[in-house]
Amino acid sequence: KQEVTQIPAALSVPEGENLVLNCSFTDSAIYNLQWFRQDPGKGLTSLLLIQSSQREQTSGRLNASLDKSSGRSTLYIAASQPGDSATYLCAVRRRANAGNMLTFGGGTRLMVKP
Amino acid sequence: NAGVTQTPKFHILKIGQSMTLQCTQDMNHNYMYWYRQDPGMGLKLIYYSVGAGITDKGEVPNGYNVSRSTTEDFPLRLELAAPSQTSVYFCASSYLRQGETQYFGPGTRLLVL
Repeated sequence: KQEVTQIPAALSVPEGENLVLNCSFTDSAIYNLQWFRQDPGKGLTSLLLIQSSQREQTSGRLNASLDKSSGRSTLYIAASQPGDSATYLCAVRRRANAGNMLTFGGGTRLMVKP
Repeated sequence: NAGVTQTPKFHILKIGQSMTLQCTQDMNHNYMYWYRQDPGMGLKLIYYSVGAGITDKGEVPNGYNVSRSTTEDFPLRLELAAPSQTSVYFCASSYLRQGETQYFGPGTRLLVL
């Protein structure tokens, strides 16, 4: 059974810092991995999706990497801003499952202080 | 496009009562999903549908039922509500072949007392 773990569970940093969020998964036979952002009381917004054949994806100040063999992904946020404060979730899709089902980690709650 | 909409936003249910959580998407997505999120935890899949008339169980289906009579709607039914069903429920939808990103609704917060 696939298990996804995110460390740390919570993180507080001053504005302007570069930071790394970690995600690990137990079964390397994944189809893809996604990073989501969740704001309090809101739904999830997809940030980056990495296919199993890719090593990284970039969007603005965000960079996500994937090392499938070691079961790890990192989300790098450059020059953090207070508006980045949210919970970040990673999710993996098992290889070629019929329902595009995702297994989620527990999330990292990020606070960026002005 | 409104995207994925869910109603109600919040509801208090008594133990043993039943209710239906509504989910509608206007993106013509073929796949739809129901997740629950408990405090401090990730999301767990309850049920999913790959198209109208086709549904299947996810990781935690017990105590729930779904139907998919149209492409747009995917209601989640709670029968005989229990305190363990207190959670935030998210509906999502996606195309399977277009980047496979799932689009989420804002959630329904349910309290069973």
